[in-house]
Amino acid sequence: EVYLVESGGGLVQSGGSLRLSCTASGFTFRNYWMGWVRQAPGKGLEWVANMNQDGSERHYADSVKGRFAISRDNAGDSVYLQMNGLRAEDTAMYYCARSKGLEYWGQGTLVTVS
Amino acid sequence: DVVLTQSPLSLSVTLGQPASISCRSSQGLVYRDGNTYLNWFQQRPGQSPRRLIYAVSRRDSGVPDRFSGSGSGTDFTLRISRVEAEDVGVYYCMQDTHWPPWTFGQGTKVEIK
Repeated sequence: EVYLVESGGGLVQSGGSLRLSCTASGFTFRNYWMGWVRQAPGKGLEWVANMNQDGSERHYADSVKGRFAISRDNAGDSVYLQMNGLRAEDTAMYYCARSKGLEYWGQGTLVTVS
Repeated sequence: DVVLTQSPLSLSVTLGQPASISCRSSQGLVYRDGNTYLNWFQQRPGQSPRRLIYAVSRRDSGVPDRFSGSGSGTDFTLRISRVEAEDVGVYYCMQDTHWPPWTFGQGTKVEIK
């Protein structure tokens, strides 16, 4: 069974940084695109970033470009989201998801920017 | 960027009755490989989203057959043949044909009447 477990969320001041992690199990991690999607409180889903299997392609939403960076460790079955220059509008639940079609999701990690 | 417009944004349905959600795209969603990458997700209250339908009409594993997807070009529909209590939540369409960015519809809230 596929599992995606996010961690690293928390409360941070405006302008601060956080690094989110997502550890995968139940599938061959290195074979899949991985990405992040967020959901502000009471709002809809917003794609944030994703990357291909070897990291040669990385894509970002305009709202986070230049501030967030996605990376992965195929040996450790993990994908990361480094978030710098955090703003109040980045407050959201952040979900890790597998593949471009977002077929599996984690439970999310909450980021609150004060 | 592709804009997906869902309607209605809210739906109140009697148990056992059908429900239908529309998703209209600002441009056609046929990819160069001939496939149409339009997906549907369900988000139950307090839970993570779960994909129900991919490539317009293909059900994900474990998804009840009362859920079906249809459409082509720019117009797509998610149908629930007989709504059950566990179907309460918000439903989103999403396209991964023209990326980046990957885009979602606004969401449709389904509740029981």
